[in-house]
Amino acid sequence: DAEITQSPRHKITETGRQVTLACHQTWNHNNMFWYRQDLGHGLRLIHYSYGVHDTNKGEVSDGYSVSRSNTEDLPLTLESAASSQTSVYFCASSEVFGSTGELFFGEGSRLTVL
Amino acid sequence: DQQVKQNSPSLSVQEGRISILNCDYTNSMFDYFLWYKKYPAEGPTFLISISSIKDKNEDGRFTVFLNKSAKHLSLHIVPSQPGDSAVYFCAAAGGTSYGKLTFGQGTILTVHP
Repeated sequence: DAEITQSPRHKITETGRQVTLACHQTWNHNNMFWYRQDLGHGLRLIHYSYGVHDTNKGEVSDGYSVSRSNTEDLPLTLESAASSQTSVYFCASSEVFGSTGELFFGEGSRLTVL
Repeated sequence: DQQVKQNSPSLSVQEGRISILNCDYTNSMFDYFLWYKKYPAEGPTFLISISSIKDKNEDGRFTVFLNKSAKHLSLHIVPSQPGDSAVYFCAAAGGTSYGKLTFGQGTILTVHP
């Protein structure tokens, strides 16, 4: 079955370290998204991509970067982790181009920055 | 600037009764609305959606109502079951958002047996 997987599921790191969260989907979806979930804020969009070599900033992109070298993967990098980036991160993908489409989410990566 | 708001952080309902979850939005460019359900330690899963050309969409026990003039939508679950206990997120898209979803803060629904 096609799926979307995130790794690691749990990560503890220190302030200032670089962290990369992996996202891999086997649906061959063009659209991929990274969200973070925080209490009181719901899910907020960090970065998104509509295809290979395409990346775009979301509403909370400061301190994060992504790259899209193939259809299946959209890794999220925190260049210098900060305590404010402690959160649960969700990767998602969708197949419909030019429309909303239904988002398919991964199971999440819980990141703690000490 | 919270464009999609769920003003009730939590809702408690008895099994068999109706659950009504509410959502308000401010961006008049939104033309497609979705509800997602999330269990602990899992990713959100799609539940039901509605286009702005409709005012109601039903899927089994779940019905979404859209009031465009009030910029308000609601999710009705009838009858509620203990397995419905989860966090429910309202989401919206449209206009220049081009495939991106804007989510509300979420409402924790607890259905008591």
